[in-house]
Amino acid sequence: NAGVTQTPKFRVLKTGQSMTLLCAQDMNHEYMYWYRQDPGMGLRLIHYSVGEGTTAKGEVPDGYNVSRLKKQNFLLGLESAAPSQTSVYFCASRPPRDRASDTQYFGPGTRLTVL
Amino acid sequence: KQEVTQIPAALSVPEGENLVLNCSFTDSAIYNLQWFRQDPGKGLTSLLLIQSSQREQTSGRLNASLDKSSGRSTLYIAASQPGDSATYLCAVRPDSNYQLIWGAGTKLIIKP
Repeated sequence: NAGVTQTPKFRVLKTGQSMTLLCAQDMNHEYMYWYRQDPGMGLRLIHYSVGEGTTAKGEVPDGYNVSRLKKQNFLLGLESAAPSQTSVYFCASRPPRDRASDTQYFGPGTRLTVL
Repeated sequence: KQEVTQIPAALSVPEGENLVLNCSFTDSAIYNLQWFRQDPGKGLTSLLLIQSSQREQTSGRLNASLDKSSGRSTLYIAASQPGDSATYLCAVRPDSNYQLIWGAGTKLIIKP
């Protein structure tokens, strides 16, 4: 049981390049999230998914796209990277709505630098 | 708009001390509040979750309290140890949706 894993752990891009971050979870969770974390700020939600085949925008969705083709995977894409997207990206998952299981489980993060 | 603030941004204390971390939020209409721990280069780990109807939750040396009316939560750490060194974040879930609103965290250093 690996929990939530993220690939890659580190990446350096040049402005305008594209890339995809992969998040995988083996807990059969319905909900998955992509956050970014910047120095001195709380985590900000980029996009999320409430189930296979569904996605929705979070607080800061511009410049990112996501896909949830399989329940266990949630992909975050940057079509044309910008220096403002330099950040640490976290993926999280959680079970369906359940008062006792509202906790989100986090991956280790991907540190992305855009030059 | 809900805003979550954690003060101080950093805290350094000698080993063995009891300490309190603070979290404040501007809108009392919350479903629950969570405290997380973040170690460098690692993801976040949930420590305690307090439902809106609860006043506190305890886990080992950790105790979290919630005062919805005043928009405050505290995380009390008893008998601190160097292994407690980490960044502690609080997050609130509003009544209106499933999205968490996060504080920026308090970086805690416990000196041996």
